[in-house]
Amino acid sequence: GENVEQHPSTLSVQEGDSAVIKCTYSDSASNYFPWYKQELGKGPQLIIDIRSNVGEKKDQRIAVTLNKTAKHFSLHITETQPEDSAVYFCAASGNNDMRFGAGTRLTVKP
Amino acid sequence: NAGVMQNPRHLVRRRGQEARLRCSPMKGHSHVYWYRQLPEEGLKFMVYLQKENIIDESGMPKERFSAEFPKEGPSILRIQQVVRGDSAAYFCASSPSFSNYGYTFGSGTRLTVV
Repeated sequence: GENVEQHPSTLSVQEGDSAVIKCTYSDSASNYFPWYKQELGKGPQLIIDIRSNVGEKKDQRIAVTLNKTAKHFSLHITETQPEDSAVYFCAASGNNDMRFGAGTRLTVKP
Repeated sequence: NAGVMQNPRHLVRRRGQEARLRCSPMKGHSHVYWYRQLPEEGLKFMVYLQKENIIDESGMPKERFSAEFPKEGPSILRIQQVVRGDSAAYFCASSPSFSNYGYTFGSGTRLTVV
């Protein structure tokens, strides 16, 4: 089955700086890569996703890149704000199988 | 559209009791997934169901745990004879098709075994 690794486990940045979270996956059949944000006491919320037929996708301050050859994908948050503080999960999905990374706790210091 | 509804939000059970967790998927979604999350940890896949069928239960413990998604009504995750190690947040997600769409998660049920 799919195995997803996520780094770093914790990340602290100053407000206004950029944050980058990286994930690798093992199953070359995976073709869909969503990112979720989980705030304290809440369920994960989908924030952006990318499919294997594109290399990059951007939505305002959030962007995701995908390198299929290397089997890794990354989340980039620019101009970070305190409300970006949360746990972020990457995931990889192929055939009937979506697996999540262990999560990154992002703290944005004002 | 109410989204994915999970209840109860919090559930306290004594060791040896049964816990029943309910999940109503989003309207139009026929695929349901259950995940367990321990404090400060990630989401661990448990089971994937469609209406009246278990598609993948590879993440679910063989004993004491069961799941169903009947033709009518919510999906149920049932834990029999709970132990302290079952204490966790249990999240349900739904999708309109198999997993190549983003899941919509519920707010979770926080189970505490005392």
